Amino acid sequence: AQKITQTQPGMFVQEKEAVTLDCTYDTSDPSYGLFWYKQPSSGEMIFLIYQGSYDQQNATEGRYSLNFQKARKSANLVISASQLGDSAMYFCAMREGTSGNQFYFGTGTSLTVIP
Amino acid sequence: NAGVTQTPKFRVLKTGQSMTLLCAQDMNHEYMYWYRQDPGMGLRLIHYSVGEGTTAKGEVPDGYNVSRLKKQNFLLGLESAAPSQTSVYFCASSQYRRPKDTQYFGPGTRLTVL
Repeated sequence: AQKITQTQPGMFVQEKEAVTLDCTYDTSDPSYGLFWYKQPSSGEMIFLIYQGSYDQQNATEGRYSLNFQKARKSANLVISASQLGDSAMYFCAMREGTSGNQFYFGTGTSLTVIP
Repeated sequence: NAGVTQTPKFRVLKTGQSMTLLCAQDMNHEYMYWYRQDPGMGLRLIHYSVGEGTTAKGEVPDGYNVSRLKKQNFLLGLESAAPSQTSVYFCASSQYRRPKDTQYFGPGTRLTVL
């Protein structure tokens, strides 16, 4: 079974609007971390936001927030007030507590911000 | 503080040739990783290291070897390159392996095998 599933290969959003990128995960480990990375066309992987499995509140980092629904095993990324520079691939990833050596990545969502 | 660097940035090989990719980090991180990224498949772990002198297999290790002789360097070797190894290769490092420890990535190496 896939550890991380991103079901939206591509998304479009109007500039200044908010957009939600979906991510579901699969683990039986009670301790885990969820991450979102941005990959612009230049290719580098940029860390955006982190959510821990025991965190009581949803993580926020500037215009990025993570909608964490533990019972549904979802960790959706919300980008508010989209900017043209947000156009990129976005990857959801998970690290488990017991076997923390490996990050599991989703297949990514390509976001295009329309002026 | 350069973070994670990778050498080279681009490389073209012929089938059967060998090469080594170098990853270096200056953050004194214990853990280092090699991933490959293919279209539509996200990043997949090739090999990783939990400290100097140690290496272990990841999800897709076949056709690759690694070495970590120094804490700051992690080498990925292709002994006999195949077209299926055409990919973008990323190195990453992290200080610890707790759930909250993010990985820091290098800029990537684009490898084409003809």
